[in-house]
Amino acid sequence: EVQLVESGGDLVQPGGSLRLSCEASGFTFKSYAMNWVRQAPGKELEWISYISSISSNIYYADSVKGRFTISRDNAKNSLSLQMNSLRDEDTAVYYCARGAMVGAGLISNWFDPWGQGTLVTVSS
Amino acid sequence: DIQMTQSPSSLSASVGDRVTITCRASQGISKHLAWYQQQPGKVPKLLIYAASTLQSGVPSRFSGSGSGTDFTLTISSLQPEDVATYYCQKYNSAPFTFGQGTRLEIK
Repeated sequence: EVQLVESGGDLVQPGGSLRLSCEASGFTFKSYAMNWVRQAPGKELEWISYISSISSNIYYADSVKGRFTISRDNAKNSLSLQMNSLRDEDTAVYYCARGAMVGAGLISNWFDPWGQGTLVTVSS
Repeated sequence: DIQMTQSPSSLSASVGDRVTITCRASQGISKHLAWYQQQPGKVPKLLIYAASTLQSGVPSRFSGSGSGTDFTLTISSLQPEDVATYYCQKYNSAPFTFGQGTRLEIK
Protein backbone atom coordinates (compact mmCIF):
# COMPACT_ATOMS: atom_id res chain seq x y z
CA GLU A 1 0.00 0.00 0.00
CA VAL A 2 1.32 3.42 -0.97
CA GLN A 3 1.60 5.51 2.18
CA LEU A 4 2.87 8.93 3.22
CA VAL A 5 3.18 9.82 6.90
CA GLU A 6 3.99 13.36 8.00
CA SER A 7 5.41 14.33 11.37
CA GLY A 8 6.98 17.28 13.13
CA GLY A 9 4.02 19.61 13.49
CA ASP A 10 3.95 21.61 16.70
CA LEU A 11 3.16 24.92 18.36
CA VAL A 12 5.92 27.43 17.67
CA GLN A 13 6.32 31.13 18.36
CA PRO A 14 6.46 33.72 15.56
CA GLY A 15 9.99 33.94 14.22
CA GLY A 16 10.73 30.37 15.22
CA SER A 17 11.71 27.33 13.18
CA LEU A 18 10.31 23.86 12.64
CA ARG A 19 11.24 20.86 10.52
CA LEU A 20 8.57 18.63 9.03
CA SER A 21 9.18 15.12 7.77
CA CYS A 22 7.29 12.82 5.44
CA GLU A 23 8.09 9.12 5.41
CA ALA A 24 7.16 7.23 2.27
CA SER A 25 6.44 3.53 1.84
CA GLY A 26 4.84 1.19 -0.65
CA PHE A 27 6.44 2.68 -3.76
CA THR A 28 9.86 3.49 -5.23
CA PHE A 29 10.35 6.85 -3.56
CA LYS A 30 13.40 7.86 -5.62
CA SER A 31 11.32 7.61 -8.79
CA TYR A 32 8.83 10.32 -7.92
CA ALA A 33 8.73 14.05 -7.42
CA MET A 34 7.24 15.20 -4.15
CA ASN A 35 5.28 18.23 -3.02
CA TRP A 36 4.20 20.04 0.13
CA VAL A 37 0.72 21.55 0.32
CA ARG A 38 -0.81 23.39 3.25
CA GLN A 39 -4.30 24.26 4.36
CA ALA A 40 -4.97 27.00 6.90
CA PRO A 41 -7.97 26.39 9.17
CA GLY A 42 -11.15 26.65 7.12
CA LYS A 43 -9.24 27.76 4.04
CA GLU A 44 -8.36 26.39 0.62
CA LEU A 45 -5.40 24.26 -0.38
CA GLU A 46 -2.14 26.09 -1.06
CA TRP A 47 0.77 24.41 -2.87
CA ILE A 48 4.03 25.53 -1.28
CA SER A 49 6.95 23.46 -2.58
CA TYR A 50 8.07 20.85 -5.14
CA ILE A 51 11.21 18.75 -5.41
CA SER A 52 12.04 16.49 -8.32
CA SER A 53 13.10 12.88 -7.92
CA ILE A 54 16.84 13.60 -7.67
CA SER A 55 16.47 17.10 -6.21
CA SER A 56 17.58 18.69 -9.46
CA ASN A 57 14.53 20.94 -9.67
CA ILE A 58 13.02 22.74 -6.68
CA TYR A 59 10.22 25.28 -6.66
CA TYR A 60 8.55 27.36 -3.95
CA ALA A 61 5.44 29.46 -3.67
CA ASP A 62 6.18 33.16 -3.25
CA SER A 63 4.59 33.03 0.21
CA VAL A 64 7.39 30.80 1.57
CA LYS A 65 10.34 31.54 -0.73
CA GLY A 66 13.46 32.41 1.23
CA ARG A 67 12.02 31.03 4.49
CA PHE A 68 11.25 27.37 3.73
CA THR A 69 13.62 24.73 2.33
CA ILE A 70 12.50 21.43 0.84
CA SER A 71 14.84 18.43 0.73
CA ARG A 72 14.74 14.69 0.36
CA ASP A 73 16.80 11.64 1.27
CA ASN A 74 16.11 8.90 -1.26
CA ALA A 75 18.12 6.37 0.73
CA LYS A 76 15.76 6.88 3.67
CA ASN A 77 12.55 7.36 1.64
CA SER A 78 12.12 10.66 3.40
CA LEU A 79 11.00 14.18 2.45
CA SER A 80 11.60 17.21 4.66
CA LEU A 81 10.49 20.82 4.94
CA GLN A 82 12.64 23.17 7.00
CA MET A 83 10.55 26.18 8.00
CA ASN A 84 12.28 29.30 9.34
CA SER A 85 11.07 32.78 10.29
CA LEU A 86 7.58 31.40 10.89
CA ARG A 87 4.64 33.78 10.84
CA ASP A 88 1.10 33.61 12.19
CA GLU A 89 -0.14 33.06 8.63
CA ASP A 90 1.92 29.87 8.34
CA THR A 91 -0.51 28.19 10.74
CA ALA A 92 -1.95 25.27 8.77
CA VAL A 93 -2.13 21.55 8.26
CA TYR A 94 0.84 20.58 6.10
CA TYR A 95 0.46 17.69 3.67
CA CYS A 96 3.06 15.91 1.62
CA ALA A 97 1.86 14.56 -1.72
CA ARG A 98 3.45 12.42 -4.39
CA GLY A 99 3.91 14.03 -7.78
CA ALA A 100 5.17 13.01 -11.18
CA MET A 101 7.13 9.87 -11.91
CA VAL A 102 10.71 10.40 -13.06
CA GLY A 103 10.87 11.01 -16.79
CA ALA A 104 7.23 12.01 -17.07
CA GLY A 105 7.85 15.69 -16.43
CA LEU A 106 5.59 18.27 -14.89
CA ILE A 107 2.78 17.42 -17.30
CA SER A 108 2.17 14.42 -15.04
CA ASN A 109 2.61 16.23 -11.72
CA TRP A 110 -0.88 15.60 -10.31
CA PHE A 111 -0.83 14.90 -6.58
CA ASP A 112 -1.59 11.35 -5.49
CA PRO A 113 -1.60 10.13 -2.80
CA TRP A 114 -1.55 12.61 0.07
CA GLY A 115 -0.40 12.04 3.61
CA GLN A 116 -2.70 12.55 6.56
CA GLY A 117 -1.18 15.93 7.38
CA THR A 118 0.59 17.48 10.36
CA LEU A 119 -0.59 20.61 12.15
CA VAL A 120 1.70 23.60 12.52
CA THR A 121 0.50 26.36 14.82
CA VAL A 122 2.39 29.64 14.94
CA SER A 123 1.34 31.68 17.94
CA SER A 124 2.79 33.53 20.88
CA ASP B 1 1.33 33.48 -12.53
CA ILE B 2 -1.77 31.66 -13.76
CA GLN B 3 -4.82 32.05 -11.54
CA MET B 4 -7.45 29.33 -11.14
CA THR B 5 -11.02 30.45 -10.47
CA GLN B 6 -13.82 28.06 -9.57
CA SER B 7 -17.54 28.66 -9.69
CA PRO B 8 -19.72 28.50 -7.84
CA SER B 9 -18.02 28.82 -4.44
CA SER B 10 -20.76 26.72 -2.93
CA LEU B 11 -23.85 24.88 -4.07
CA SER B 12 -26.62 22.79 -2.68
CA ALA B 13 -28.28 20.01 -4.67
CA SER B 14 -30.55 17.06 -4.13
CA VAL B 15 -29.59 13.40 -4.21
CA GLY B 16 -29.78 12.21 -7.80
CA ASP B 17 -29.18 15.66 -9.29
CA ARG B 18 -26.61 16.35 -11.98
CA VAL B 19 -24.02 18.76 -10.60
CA THR B 20 -21.48 20.81 -12.55
CA ILE B 21 -18.53 22.77 -11.17
CA THR B 22 -16.50 25.09 -13.37
CA CYS B 23 -12.82 25.98 -13.22
CA ARG B 24 -11.26 28.73 -15.31
CA ALA B 25 -7.54 29.33 -15.82
CA SER B 26 -6.32 32.86 -16.46
CA GLN B 27 -4.12 31.51 -19.28
CA GLY B 28 -4.27 28.35 -21.34
CA ILE B 29 -3.02 25.20 -19.63
CA SER B 30 -3.88 22.65 -22.33
CA LYS B 31 -5.36 19.70 -20.44
CA HIS B 32 -2.99 19.83 -17.46
CA LEU B 33 -5.72 20.07 -14.86
CA ALA B 34 -6.64 17.88 -11.91
CA TRP B 35 -9.71 17.72 -9.69
CA TYR B 36 -9.59 16.75 -6.01
CA GLN B 37 -12.29 15.91 -3.50
CA GLN B 38 -11.90 16.77 0.18
CA GLN B 39 -14.64 15.30 2.33
CA PRO B 40 -15.21 17.01 5.70
CA GLY B 41 -12.28 16.31 8.03
CA LYS B 42 -10.52 14.16 5.45
CA VAL B 43 -7.42 14.30 3.29
CA PRO B 44 -7.75 15.54 -0.32
CA LYS B 45 -8.22 12.76 -2.85
CA LEU B 46 -7.41 12.81 -6.55
CA LEU B 47 -10.51 12.35 -8.71
CA ILE B 48 -9.47 13.32 -12.22
CA TYR B 49 -6.23 14.22 -13.99
CA ALA B 50 -5.41 15.37 -17.50
CA ALA B 51 -8.76 17.18 -17.37
CA SER B 52 -10.82 14.09 -18.13
CA THR B 53 -9.04 10.90 -16.99
CA LEU B 54 -10.74 9.26 -14.02
CA GLN B 55 -8.36 8.11 -11.31
CA SER B 56 -8.56 4.39 -10.55
CA GLY B 57 -11.28 3.57 -8.04
CA VAL B 58 -13.25 6.77 -8.52
CA PRO B 59 -16.95 6.18 -9.25
CA SER B 60 -17.97 6.62 -12.88
CA ARG B 61 -20.58 9.24 -11.95
CA PHE B 62 -17.64 11.68 -11.83
CA SER B 63 -16.39 13.08 -15.12
CA GLY B 64 -14.25 15.95 -16.29
CA SER B 65 -13.97 17.91 -19.50
CA GLY B 66 -12.35 20.95 -21.01
CA SER B 67 -9.03 22.21 -22.27
CA GLY B 68 -7.22 25.50 -22.57
CA THR B 69 -8.84 27.79 -20.02
CA ASP B 70 -12.28 26.31 -19.26
CA PHE B 71 -12.91 23.07 -17.43
CA THR B 72 -15.81 21.33 -15.77
CA LEU B 73 -16.30 18.61 -13.18
CA THR B 74 -19.64 16.83 -13.44
CA ILE B 75 -21.33 14.48 -11.03
CA SER B 76 -24.03 12.71 -13.02
CA SER B 77 -26.16 11.60 -10.07
CA LEU B 78 -25.32 13.17 -6.71
CA GLN B 79 -24.89 10.78 -3.79
CA PRO B 80 -24.81 11.62 -0.05
CA GLU B 81 -21.14 10.64 0.15
CA ASP B 82 -20.29 13.31 -2.43
CA VAL B 83 -20.68 16.05 0.19
CA ALA B 84 -17.23 17.63 0.04
CA THR B 85 -15.19 20.57 -1.16
CA TYR B 86 -13.86 20.16 -4.69
CA TYR B 87 -10.66 21.78 -5.92
CA CYS B 88 -9.19 22.15 -9.38
CA GLN B 89 -5.42 22.49 -9.84
CA LYS B 90 -3.04 23.25 -12.66
CA TYR B 91 0.10 21.14 -12.59
CA ASN B 92 2.08 21.69 -15.79
CA SER B 93 4.32 24.42 -14.39
CA ALA B 94 5.06 26.04 -11.04
CA PRO B 95 3.30 27.45 -9.13
CA PHE B 96 0.91 24.48 -9.04
CA THR B 97 -2.08 26.64 -8.16
CA PHE B 98 -5.34 25.36 -6.74
CA GLY B 99 -8.73 26.94 -7.25
CA GLN B 100 -10.42 28.39 -4.20
CA GLY B 101 -12.70 25.38 -3.85
CA THR B 102 -16.39 24.61 -4.34
CA ARG B 103 -18.32 23.42 -1.33
CA LEU B 104 -21.03 20.94 -2.25
CA GLU B 105 -23.91 20.19 0.11
CA ILE B 106 -27.05 18.09 -0.05
CA LYS B 107 -30.41 19.87 0.04
